Amino acid sequence: DAGITQSPRYKITETGRQVTLMCHQTWSHSYMFWYRQDLGHGLRLIYYSAAADITDKGEVPDGYVVSRSKTENFPLTLESATRSQTSVYFCASRPGTAYEQYFGPGTRLTVT
Amino acid sequence: EDQVTQSPEALRLQEGESSSLNCSYTVSGLRGLFWYRQDPGKGPEFLFTLYSAGEEKEKERLKATLTKKESFLHITAPKPEDSATYLCAVHGGNTPLVFGKGTRLSVIA
Repeated sequence: DAGITQSPRYKITETGRQVTLMCHQTWSHSYMFWYRQDLGHGLRLIYYSAAADITDKGEVPDGYVVSRSKTENFPLTLESATRSQTSVYFCASRPGTAYEQYFGPGTRLTVT
Repeated sequence: EDQVTQSPEALRLQEGESSSLNCSYTVSGLRGLFWYRQDPGKGPEFLFTLYSAGEEKEKERLKATLTKKESFLHITAPKPEDSATYLCAVHGGNTPLVFGKGTRLSVIA
């Protein structure tokens, strides 16, 4: 019973590089979300998806790309990483029938 | 625009000293108010959902209540293991969850 997993858990990358954060859930939840968490800002929504092949922007989408070809996976790509994208990234999911979201363990990303 | 404000930012309690955390919100068409617990280095853990004013939910030493403008998380006789950051979030009619910045609770033995 893995629930929702994220990989890698820690990542250090250089400015300008492309990096992809992975999110996988085993509950068959229709909705999936990506957040970033920074001191002083709390959790902010980057992108979300209501189903496979349906995605929508959140509060802070600039510099990020998402895709969802399968219900269980929701990767987040930083096409050209910047230092301002140094953060802790959380993936979450919820079923279509309820609003509470369930979070993964997070990925700590450092851009040097 | 949906907004959530939590207070205090940090709270330090002695073991057994009961207190409350506040979550004030403005939202268009509340679909639910949510409380989460977050331990350092981990993802938020779901605690409660409240849907309408007057509703209450309890779990061990925690009780969440809801009015039309705010929610309280009451902690009765806390223990050191209750130390964590507590997050409040709302789901409005048009947007996914909007989170507050959290209250960092420390319970000292």
